[in-house]
Amino acid sequence: DAGITQSPRHKVTETGTPVTLRCHQTENHRYMYWYRQDPGHGLRLIHYSYGVKDTDKGEVSDGYSVSRSKTEDFLLTLESATSSQTSVYFCATQGASNQPQHFGDGTRLSIL
Amino acid sequence: QKEVEQNSGPLSVPEGAIASLNCTYSDRGSQSFFWYRQYSGKSPELIMSIYSNGDKEDGRFTAQLNKASQYVSLLIRDSQPSDSATYLCAVGEDMRFGAGTRLTVKP
Repeated sequence: DAGITQSPRHKVTETGTPVTLRCHQTENHRYMYWYRQDPGHGLRLIHYSYGVKDTDKGEVSDGYSVSRSKTEDFLLTLESATSSQTSVYFCATQGASNQPQHFGDGTRLSIL
Repeated sequence: QKEVEQNSGPLSVPEGAIASLNCTYSDRGSQSFFWYRQYSGKSPELIMSIYSNGDKEDGRFTAQLNKASQYVSLLIRDSQPSDSATYLCAVGEDMRFGAGTRLTVKP
């Protein structure tokens, strides 16, 4: 597949703490995405990037920020985690705008 | 609001039958369409991409696209218990996902 590594794979943390999730890709894909997936809601786009230092908001961006300083890395940060952000987070990459996205294995985040 | 709709299911079919999964979309300008399979606890994996009207076959899978009627479907022939999963439809360059249809194939 597209050589996408998400870290950590699992994390449990407390409300109010900062959390950073990392997505690393080895395919030199231009586009990168962060989704969350919750029961009954499917995949919801948080933020995406169309190049180094070029990012934009998705439909559920409140409470999240992202950074992309290198093509291969896309970071998702929860500045002050809340219980509503307990979810499974997927990173995806895409080589060109009309091509399919490829997904990482996901991060299961629990906020107590 | 650009919408992608799928029946949430669950859809249950016997082993060996044809499973038919449907997806409708609202944006007439969409040019790219994708089907993903997601096993429980796993990430979505791409099954099919389709860009032109008509059918596209890959093994037991056939994607059907009808842009005039704004739907894309996925047929799974000779369904196997290993096909039991949630199937996600994604539409357009901005990859809008449907909520997925859960398929169960009973032995």
